[in-house]
Amino acid sequence: DVKVTQSSRYLVKRTGEKVFLECVQDMDHENMFWYRQDPGLGLRLIYFSYDVKMKEKGDIPEGYSVSREKKERFSLILESASTNQTSMYLCASRRLKFSNQPQHFGDGTRLSIL
Amino acid sequence: GQQLNQSPQSMFIQEGEDVSMNCTSSSIFNTWLWYKQDPGEGPVLLIALYKAGELTSNGRLTAQFGITRKDSFLNISASIPSDVGIYFCAGQLGGTSGSRLTFGEGTQLTVNP
Repeated sequence: DVKVTQSSRYLVKRTGEKVFLECVQDMDHENMFWYRQDPGLGLRLIYFSYDVKMKEKGDIPEGYSVSREKKERFSLILESASTNQTSMYLCASRRLKFSNQPQHFGDGTRLSIL
Repeated sequence: GQQLNQSPQSMFIQEGEDVSMNCTSSSIFNTWLWYKQDPGEGPVLLIALYKAGELTSNGRLTAQFGITRKDSFLNISASIPSDVGIYFCAGQLGGTSGSRLTFGEGTQLTVNP
């Protein structure tokens, strides 16, 4: 079974803090993704990566950055957290960038910025 | 980004009833996916469809990839209380530039015992 693990289920941080959300997958997947999910707005893609050291902007990259130093780990960074970044964050991974393999999601991190 | 048209937005049914939901798009996709999300959890893949016209079952769930490649439906037969959750459809083009998913808005399913 595919296992996508997000480091925290719940996280509370303060405005202006630098926040790191970590995601690890154990299936040697090339593609990894970060989404945020908000009521009424659905899932929105923040950043994704095709492979180590590679990153692509999604639909809402502003205020975020990512790091992919190892294949199994994809980190989402909130450079200076703001209250409008309070959300559910979901990581996903997928095998073989040239195929139609589906994305598999982690359990999510519910982040609150105070 | 683009979203798929998923309907209905919500359903309230009695245990034992059958459920049907669908997604439509103005664009074609090479893969259709159906996910279920429980409260406070991440989406879990239910069914993946890879070929136009394909009909695939997973237990009480059946999904079809529309012939035009612009739509898909999901049926749940004999619903049970644990079917409660949000069901999402997603379309994927695949290939070098198509690994992104386009999601439907979700169908919130409530099953009354």
